[in-house]
Amino acid sequence: SQKIEQNSEALNIQEGKTATLTCNYTNYSPAYLQWYRQDPGRGPVFLLLIRENEKEKRKERLKVTFDTTLKQSLFHITASQPADSATYLCALDTGRRALTFGSGTRLQVQP
Amino acid sequence: DTEVTQTPKHLVMGMTNKKSLKCEQHMGHRAMYWYKQKAKKPPELMFVYSYEKLSINESVPSRFSPECPNSSLLNLHLHALQPEDSALYLCASSQALGEDTQYFGPGTRLTVL
Repeated sequence: SQKIEQNSEALNIQEGKTATLTCNYTNYSPAYLQWYRQDPGRGPVFLLLIRENEKEKRKERLKVTFDTTLKQSLFHITASQPADSATYLCALDTGRRALTFGSGTRLQVQP
Repeated sequence: DTEVTQTPKHLVMGMTNKKSLKCEQHMGHRAMYWYKQKAKKPPELMFVYSYEKLSINESVPSRFSPECPNSSLLNLHLHALQPEDSALYLCASSQALGEDTQYFGPGTRLTVL
């Protein structure tokens, strides 16, 4: 069955540093992968989508990479701020044309 | 307008009650979704509607009954729920099934006593 794993349940970093989150998947070759941010008690908010033929995508302080050989996506937040503290979810289509979410990484940025 | 609205925000119900959750979007999206999310877990897909027809049912118990009356509205009817059904229920929409971005509502926090 399809497994989507995010490397750590929680990540604590100092303000100004770069946060790097990992998403690994097995048993499928998705055409794209998405990243969402979720704050406590709220719905996820879309951040970035990267397609299988794209190696990297950027949006302001966010950068996503997609390595289909390693079956891995990396999500970077540069110059992190306390306001970046949230849970970050990767998601991909496991063949049903609907998203399956990874387990999430809870990022805490310390001032 | 990129908003998905959900009502109510909070719902407490007994195991014998019947209640409904409502979701609305006015973005012209043709795919709508129900997810269930337990604490510290990712959203789990329950149902997907595409062009007002049920496209995916993730083997959800029949005590959850979805309905899509029109392209803007999605309901989830609840009956004879169990305490373990307590969770955050999220609605989402997208232009169509597939790679489109999903827009999520704020969710309904459901507690079953």
